[in-house]
Amino acid sequence: EAGVAQSPRYKIIEKRQSVAFWCNPISGHATLYWYQQILGQGPKLLIQFQNNGVVDDSQLPKDRFSAERLKGVDSTLKIQPAKLEDSAVYLCASSLSPGTYEQYFGPGTRLTVT
Amino acid sequence: SQQGEEDPQALSIQEGENATMNCSYKTSINNLQWYRQNSGRGLVHLILIRSNEREKHSGRLRVTLDTSKKSSSLLITASRAADTASYFCATDENYGQNFVFGPGTRLSVLP
Repeated sequence: EAGVAQSPRYKIIEKRQSVAFWCNPISGHATLYWYQQILGQGPKLLIQFQNNGVVDDSQLPKDRFSAERLKGVDSTLKIQPAKLEDSAVYLCASSLSPGTYEQYFGPGTRLTVT
Repeated sequence: SQQGEEDPQALSIQEGENATMNCSYKTSINNLQWYRQNSGRGLVHLILIRSNEREKHSGRLRVTLDTSKKSSSLLITASRAADTASYFCATDENYGQNFVFGPGTRLSVLP
């Protein structure tokens, strides 16, 4: 079974530029999560999708971050414009259904904003 | 917001010894999960324990849950160098659907 795929693995941009991350969850997984993990901290949930609908985006900085999950499969997370404090690893995870099932994580995208 | 808080923040032990990490949380939960993160494999799910369970085992892992004290512990027996990683607990806030991760315990197993 293929795991969660993410790209790119690394990205370096200057502040005020824009960047996009892509995630392909495990086939058949209805729930998709995007997390931000700052160095030395635990992952922080940014947004959760159930199929192509948003379940929770309460911690997503909506003035600069946006995410979509077209057709309930792949997802894209965008930052525009980026700030220095956005430097982090962005993790995508999927699960069969929300809450009670284990989450499978992708390798993450390490973003550096200079 | 951070729900789970792991303790200690860092732990260093010799190979073969047991490692115990603790997690405390604030609100009522349905489930608690433990995850491991190392540079080679990213975040990996270890074990899920439901609020009506008190103890679960998986190989060399033993997890306990005390809902009256709002705490959980993860015991790794006969540790190996490959167990070197950060360990996170994740809880669902107020019976919610989303898991909130704590800051993690960094475990170093020395050969």
